[in-house]
Amino acid sequence: AQSVTQPDIHITVSEGASLELRCNYSYGATPYLFWYVQSPGQGLQLLLKYFSGDTLVQGIKGFEAEFKRSQSSFNLRKPSVHWSDAAEYFCAVGAGSNFGNEKLTFGTGTRLTIIP
Amino acid sequence: GAGVSQSPSNKVTEKGKDVELRCDPISGHTALYWYRQSLGQGLEFLIYFQGNSAPDKSGLPSDRFSAERTGGSVSTLTIQRTQQEDSAVYLCASSLVGVGTGSYEQYFGPGTRLTVT
Repeated sequence: AQSVTQPDIHITVSEGASLELRCNYSYGATPYLFWYVQSPGQGLQLLLKYFSGDTLVQGIKGFEAEFKRSQSSFNLRKPSVHWSDAAEYFCAVGAGSNFGNEKLTFGTGTRLTIIP
Repeated sequence: GAGVSQSPSNKVTEKGKDVELRCDPISGHTALYWYRQSLGQGLEFLIYFQGNSAPDKSGLPSDRFSAERTGGSVSTLTIQRTQQEDSAVYLCASSLVGVGTGSYEQYFGPGTRLTVT
């Protein structure tokens, strides 16, 4: 069964500083990988996804992530954070199938705090 | 276009009562998912619909939980004889599906916060 580990429960970053959120996955085949963001009281918004091809993927709001098969990682990065980036971030892996749509397994999330 | 909608946004119920949670997926999305988000368990998959059938119900925690989908659209998650441990945010998501669609991401609704007293 697949699993996702987000080792950092809470990260605090100064506004304008760079950000890296860690994600490690466990899955037997090529995974489908996702990063979602959740603001307080809101649902989940997709930031970016990796299915195949270029291992560096670009997403919305200036985020990017790099798939590293050898490290089973899919870390999220942003070169300069904004106060509005404060939220909870979830990494997820999809099992994939002939149809490519199946349940997502989520990490426990990383709460991002931005300080002025 | 409209996103995934869920109702009610908040539900407070007494232990032992039944509740129904509703999800309206994005029009044309054939796949629909229910997840539960709670402090102790994080985000957990509950059930997956493809059209009106549910090929994967493996995440339903007990037989008190059931779900149906009609017309390939609206879905209802029913919890019978609610318990305090059922308190959580229930999230619904929908997606396109099918070989060659090239679109596999799930779009989430805002959730229903269920509190069992």
